[in-house]
Amino acid sequence: SQQGEEDPQALSIQEGENATMNCSYKTSINNLQWYRQNSGRGLVHLILIRSNEREKHSGRLRVTLDTSKKSSSLLITASRAADTASYFCATKSGNQFYFGTGTSLTVIP
Amino acid sequence: DTAVSQTPKYLVTQMGNDKSIKCEQNLGHDTMYWYKQDSKKFLKIMFSYNNKELIINETVPNRFSPKSPDKAHLNLHINSLELGDSAVYFCASSPRGRGTFYGYTFGSGTRLTVV
Repeated sequence: SQQGEEDPQALSIQEGENATMNCSYKTSINNLQWYRQNSGRGLVHLILIRSNEREKHSGRLRVTLDTSKKSSSLLITASRAADTASYFCATKSGNQFYFGTGTSLTVIP
Repeated sequence: DTAVSQTPKYLVTQMGNDKSIKCEQNLGHDTMYWYKQDSKKFLKIMFSYNNKELIINETVPNRFSPKSPDKAHLNLHINSLELGDSAVYFCASSPRGRGTFYGYTFGSGTRLTVV
């Protein structure tokens, strides 16, 4: 199984704090993506990191990838109430996506 | 609100019926997809259209037929529904086509229950 597992399953922080979510996967990958899902909405692509990259930034997002440990982390800095959502890591093999179980993030204003 | 929207969100129907799920994206993407999610949350591709042209057609029963009237729409029609068709179906779009990976945007899913 190539399914990703996110940790923690739920995270609650105060606005302005940083939020860190972790993802582990089981097999080799070409790239890993992070997605965000607001309640009742679809999955929106946030950032992609390739297997030969170790760190990537996009605005307030920072993603790291450790292929030796088969893990990735997503850091959201200076969180805002609007960041409240579920966050999923996903790997892709051929034409098939494998989504993790997700981390539910709540940012308290 | 720019997004991938699919309807209906929930669909409960009896075995043997024919049903359709609609998908629309206003992101200006060239490529649209239908994925089926299994119980382990894996999304398995069913079809992909690039600018109204079918480019991926995985091994799915002939009862499933996609239709793309224009590049912003990709509908999924299912004939003679079976119990095993029960699943969540996701529509998605991406800005590039075959052979190139860019971020996908997914719809919120349609939960199909066949009774």
